[in-house]
Amino acid sequence: DAKTTQPNSMESNEEEPVHLPCNHSTISGTDYIHWYRQLPSQGPEYVIHGLTSNVNNRMASLAIAEDRKSSTLILHRATLRDAAVYYCILRRAGGTSYGKLTFGQGTILTVHP
Amino acid sequence: EPEVTQTPSHQVTQMGQEVILRCVPISNHLYFYWYRQILGQKVEFLVSFYNNEISEKSEIFDDQFSVERPDGSNFTLKIRSTKLEDSAMYFCASRARTGNTEAFFGQGTRLTVV
Repeated sequence: DAKTTQPNSMESNEEEPVHLPCNHSTISGTDYIHWYRQLPSQGPEYVIHGLTSNVNNRMASLAIAEDRKSSTLILHRATLRDAAVYYCILRRAGGTSYGKLTFGQGTILTVHP
Repeated sequence: EPEVTQTPSHQVTQMGQEVILRCVPISNHLYFYWYRQILGQKVEFLVSFYNNEISEKSEIFDDQFSVERPDGSNFTLKIRSTKLEDSAMYFCASRARTGNTEAFFGQGTRLTVV
C-alpha cells in the first residue's frame, strides 16, 4: 500500500475552519483517498473519500491536489465534538485487498473552546 | 441509523483462557473485518471475511485466532489461548459491497488479559 504522511497534531479554535493535510507522493492511479476519524474511546468513523475531484459531504470537504500527491480534509467550522484522531488512508480500487484499511498514526486534532 | 454492535464492551480473562468476541454487523453488509488497537498504538488490521471464508489476514492473525459467522447475523473472533499481549481494543467493521464504500466500525471490545 502507498504511504501517507500526516502531521502528528494540530490545534484549532471552536467555530473556525480546520485544514488537515496529508501527503501521499507515491499514490497510484487507482488509489482512492479515504479519511476516517476516531473520537476518544470509540471506533473509527468514516468521514469522506475521493479519487480525483474535490468532494463535499455533511461532515467535511476533501480537496485533492491536481497531481494527487497530497490532499486536505477541511472541517468548515470545528466544534468540540470534532476533537479526534484523523486518519488519511489510501485504498486501491479492485485488487485482492477486500477493502482492508491500513491505519497510520493519524493527526490528533485538539479543538479549543 | 444502522450500526455495528459489539459485545461485551469489556472482557477480562485469565492468560491461557479462550475468549470469544461477538459482533453483529449491519444486516445487508457483505464484507466483515476485525481490527485491534493496543493502548496508545495505531489501529491494526487482523482479518477480512467474505462469502463465508477468510479473504485476507495479517501476520498478527496466527493459529490462535479464528473467525466465524455462525448464523448469518453474528460475526465472532475467537482467541484460543490468550496471552498478555492480546490485551487491546478489538473493533469489528462491516462494509456493504465491493468498490470504495465506507466501512462501519463498532464501538469495540476492550480485552484485558491478566
